[in-house]
Amino acid sequence: ELKVEQNPLFLSMQEGKNYTIYCNYSTTSDRLYWYRQDPGKSLESLFVLLSNGAVKQEGRLMASLDTKARLSTLHITAAVHDLSATYFCAVDGSNSGYALNFGKGTSLLVTP
Amino acid sequence: DGGITQSPKYLFRKEGQNVTLSCEQNLNHDAMYWYRQDPGQGLRLIYYSQIVNDFQKGDIAEGYSVSREKKESFPLTVTSAQKNPTAFYLCASSIGWTGELFFGEGSRLTVL
Repeated sequence: ELKVEQNPLFLSMQEGKNYTIYCNYSTTSDRLYWYRQDPGKSLESLFVLLSNGAVKQEGRLMASLDTKARLSTLHITAAVHDLSATYFCAVDGSNSGYALNFGKGTSLLVTP
Repeated sequence: DGGITQSPKYLFRKEGQNVTLSCEQNLNHDAMYWYRQDPGQGLRLIYYSQIVNDFQKGDIAEGYSVSREKKESFPLTVTSAQKNPTAFYLCASSIGWTGELFFGEGSRLTVL
């Protein structure tokens, strides 16, 4: 069974600080996805990582993928309040028609 | 504009009633999915369909049913057999059988 684990699950950080969210998964996969969810809203795609060593950046967020370690990171640089949201990583699940398996999400709160 | 439309956005149901959640997409995507989200949880796969007139159970299919008579439509019925149906339901689609998911706005079901 494919397991996707994120940590931390809750993160409170000050504006201007840097931090990293980790996503570990239990089986071989070359594809990993990051999504953002605002309270009461649906999921918005942030990054699609399709190969080992892939790195994508958008604004203050940078995501990377290490398929050998089965690890992806989402790095936040100089956080601002607008980044407050829940972030999910997801991995292709070969045991379910390749539907994505999601982590439990990291709830991020950026405070002044 | 292309996208995924879910309706209704909010739904209240009495115990013992079946309800059907609508999901329509005009993205010409082959695959469609239903996920369930509970507070503080990740997304759990209910059903998915990779092609018209075919669908597969996900991890938590008990108490749910679906149909895929048209490529554009993938309705989900929450039956009275579902013991704890109060949740946020998300419909998604993808171009092929794998890959990035695009989500609708979600339907929030509350059982009274």
